Amino acid sequence: DQQVKQNSPSLSVQEGRISILNCDYTNSMFDYFLWYKKYPAEGPTFLISISSIKDKNEDGRFTVFLNKSAKHLSLHIVPSQPGDSAVYFCAASKRRGAQKLVFGQGTRLTINP
Amino acid sequence: DTAVSQTPKYLVTQMGNDKSIKCEQNLGHDTMYWYKQDSKKFLKIMFSYNNKELIINETVPNRFSPKSPDKAHLNLHINSLELGDSAVYFCASSQDQGGAWEKLFFGSGTQLSVL
Repeated sequence: DQQVKQNSPSLSVQEGRISILNCDYTNSMFDYFLWYKKYPAEGPTFLISISSIKDKNEDGRFTVFLNKSAKHLSLHIVPSQPGDSAVYFCAASKRRGAQKLVFGQGTRLTINP
Repeated sequence: DTAVSQTPKYLVTQMGNDKSIKCEQNLGHDTMYWYKQDSKKFLKIMFSYNNKELIINETVPNRFSPKSPDKAHLNLHINSLELGDSAVYFCASSQDQGGAWEKLFFGSGTQLSVL
């Protein structure tokens, strides 16, 4: 019963192009969504988040889009850089301040020079 | 000056043994967590402590016992280790901001291998 799914285990993108990572969720009670980035031998680090009252949030090269009707969110990275190569985890929560995040299984992004 | 540090980084042990993983955070956060990354790579919450008080206890076998001596430390003790306990265990912390979402800060993980 995985409530948050990232169906692409890996993605390879040319440097300078756009990277699009996708995430689907099943629980309509989720109202806050986050993306975490993880390098090998390190813990995940927070990247960007979005509340369900918005459909887009932008931070520099990173933009998260939320489609509530489709229960889908995506992370866009443009332009992609070699340092973006990492595993990206999508996570969701039922309310702000909640202390229980539900994570997807991650997508490994590789940026090719 | 690691914000969330956990030890050991690697732990290889035999089935049936008892082992502990330690976690410390120097961020002044009042909430700490243990997450398990299973073989399918999902990160799943196991426990959450707020100011030394257990607030989340997911469906985890009672062979797993967290202990929080103070709000900067959350250790995980595992009794009678089984093959299925092999996973990466992540400690994390966050600061309650009065209703605003708090980000999780993770340690670098402990790779547990049970033989």
